[in-house]
Amino acid sequence: QKEVEQNSGPLSVPEGAIASLNCTYSDRGSQSFFWYRQYSGKSPELIMFIYSNGDKEDGRFTAQLNKASQYVSLLIRDSQPSDSATYLCADTNSGYALNFGKGTSLLVTP
Amino acid sequence: EAGVTQFPSHSVIEKGQTVTLRCDPISGHDNLYWYRRVMGKEIKFLLHFVKESKQDESGMPNNRFLAERTGGTYSTLKVQPAELEDSGVYFCASSHQNGPGTYEQYFGPGTRLTVT
Repeated sequence: QKEVEQNSGPLSVPEGAIASLNCTYSDRGSQSFFWYRQYSGKSPELIMFIYSNGDKEDGRFTAQLNKASQYVSLLIRDSQPSDSATYLCADTNSGYALNFGKGTSLLVTP
Repeated sequence: EAGVTQFPSHSVIEKGQTVTLRCDPISGHDNLYWYRRVMGKEIKFLLHFVKESKQDESGMPNNRFLAERTGGTYSTLKVQPAELEDSGVYFCASSHQNGPGTYEQYFGPGTRLTVT
């Protein structure tokens, strides 16, 4: 069974700090990796995707991929209370069907 | 640009009944996906349409589930007959077929299905 593992949390960080969210995956054939944010009762919202080893930055968000270690992470700089949500990691080996983890709950405290 | 829409937002049915969920993708998106989240579990892929064709239905749990996308626009997911374990949130997502945006799946608000 191909799995995406995430720590369920909650991860609590103070406002202005860096939040670090981590994810491991078991499918070595996975090509692309995604981070979605989901507020309670809402739909998942794509934050970033990454498919090359290394870092990819977009505003306050940085995704990091290490295929050798089968590890993906998301860093959120200058965390804001509005960043409090569940963060879902997903991979795909087809480019289409996403394989999700259960998500990490992030709480940013003022 | 309107997002992915789903109807109904919530459905409560009895075991053995039939329910049909509808998804309207973002205009121009050829890829349409159905996912499901059962309580306490991760979001699971059900199937993928490219236009009106089923590209991948490997995630469909059993033959009580039937998805269609006539004309390559909106899609329906029918559950017949519904069982208790079908309860969950059913998400629809869509994306472009080629070029920039292919990997970006936009999710609808979901339909919460409760089977009693």
